[in-house]
Amino acid sequence: DTAVSQTPKYLVTQMGNDKSIKCEQNLGHDTMYWYKQDSKKFLKIMFSYNNKELIINETVPNRFSPKSPDKAHLNLHINSLELGDSAVYFCASSLSGGRADTQYFGPGTRLTVL
Amino acid sequence: GDSVTQMEGPVTLSEEAFLTINCTYTATGYPSLFWYVQYPGEGLQLLLKATKADDKGSNKGFEATYRKETTSFHLEKGSVQVSDSAVYFCALTGNSGNTPLVFGKGTRLSVIA
Repeated sequence: DTAVSQTPKYLVTQMGNDKSIKCEQNLGHDTMYWYKQDSKKFLKIMFSYNNKELIINETVPNRFSPKSPDKAHLNLHINSLELGDSAVYFCASSLSGGRADTQYFGPGTRLTVL
Repeated sequence: GDSVTQMEGPVTLSEEAFLTINCTYTATGYPSLFWYVQYPGEGLQLLLKATKADDKGSNKGFEATYRKETTSFHLEKGSVQVSDSAVYFCALTGNSGNTPLVFGKGTRLSVIA
């Protein structure tokens, strides 16, 4: 049983389109995250939710809008896609967001904007 | 702000060689420290962690010790295998709650038979 799952695994789209990535965790965790991994493999936090409430919103363009319908799901919607949005997006979850908590990662969604 | 610096790769080793990947950090207070591993085409998995000074994390033959005096968390393994080929990320979480992981830039390890 997959702990943190993401769909789709690959997403290829044209500039200017709007797309969504879905994430679900079945671990019963309270906290979920979105990270972006660029072409050089550098990983950076984008958003964090705790029990459906937005906790962290790093300096991400407002074309990116996360939504958490319940604490098991955290989706990422991206408007007006740009070439620079091409990256791998990872969802993660942790028990309560505590500093010692292990974060569990999904398999990633590779987004390619043409 | 908090940051992590780890040695640049790629690192290429022969099977059964000794591995060290250096990691140092900058953070206020007492961060928790982690090593994550990313195998080709996969997401990240926790390899080991340490949450207070002098703690040693260990897993699958890998070890790292939280050294507050040198702000370091170097990863070591005595004898690497081809299956250890992956990208290794050192990371920390800061002092306060609801804190995300701050990652180093990753070190690619290739082990050849």
